[in-house]
Amino acid sequence: EPEVTQTPSHQVTQMGQEVILRCVPISNHLYFYWYRQILGQKVEFLVSFYNNEISEKSEIFDDQFSVERPDGSNFTLKIRSTKLEDSAMYFCASIGLTDTQYFGPGTRLTVL
Amino acid sequence: RKEVEQDPGPFNVPEGATVAFNCTYSNSASQSFFWYRQDCRKEPKLLMSVYSSGNEDGRFTAQLNRASQYISLLIRDSKLSDSATYLCAVTPSGNTGKLIFGQGTTLQVKP
Repeated sequence: EPEVTQTPSHQVTQMGQEVILRCVPISNHLYFYWYRQILGQKVEFLVSFYNNEISEKSEIFDDQFSVERPDGSNFTLKIRSTKLEDSAMYFCASIGLTDTQYFGPGTRLTVL
Repeated sequence: RKEVEQDPGPFNVPEGATVAFNCTYSNSASQSFFWYRQDCRKEPKLLMSVYSSGNEDGRFTAQLNRASQYISLLIRDSKLSDSATYLCAVTPSGNTGKLIFGQGTTLQVKP
């Protein structure tokens, strides 16, 4: 069964450093998403991406965040200058022709 | 009022019990409704979509009440393996497909 993959599974970084989280959505899917989940809190929407551009973003997705689909398979989330409060699980998701979102296993980001 | 609200629990039930979770949503124009299951530190996995007519998948039954803006999930004959956090998710109006999640309801099934 096709699945969304994410790398790395765990990223540790120093405050102020840039990180890039990578996702490979399911190959024929059209809509891509990033969500985050701070430990003990709910899953929160960050951004949606369709047709090579952002279709919607949340208040969390400020100028420190950016997304890119650099080739036909990867979908990346960049945090330019990480803060302590960026520590969370980051989930990538994608949708095909149905409205079912499939989530990747997540990247746990720890900012020290 | 939160966009999507759930009782966090935990719900502690014995094996074989029937347990029900409710979820309320604030946006009456919400379009799609889902129940996801999340195991500790893992990704959400779709349990079932929720339709106005109600739907059933084995031991799981989901209902949607648009008038009262709530969604329910019923689990019959609980198994130890049902222990997890159950997330209610809603797609608001608009067509970007983003999901708004509740904070989840934790279920512990005990032998």
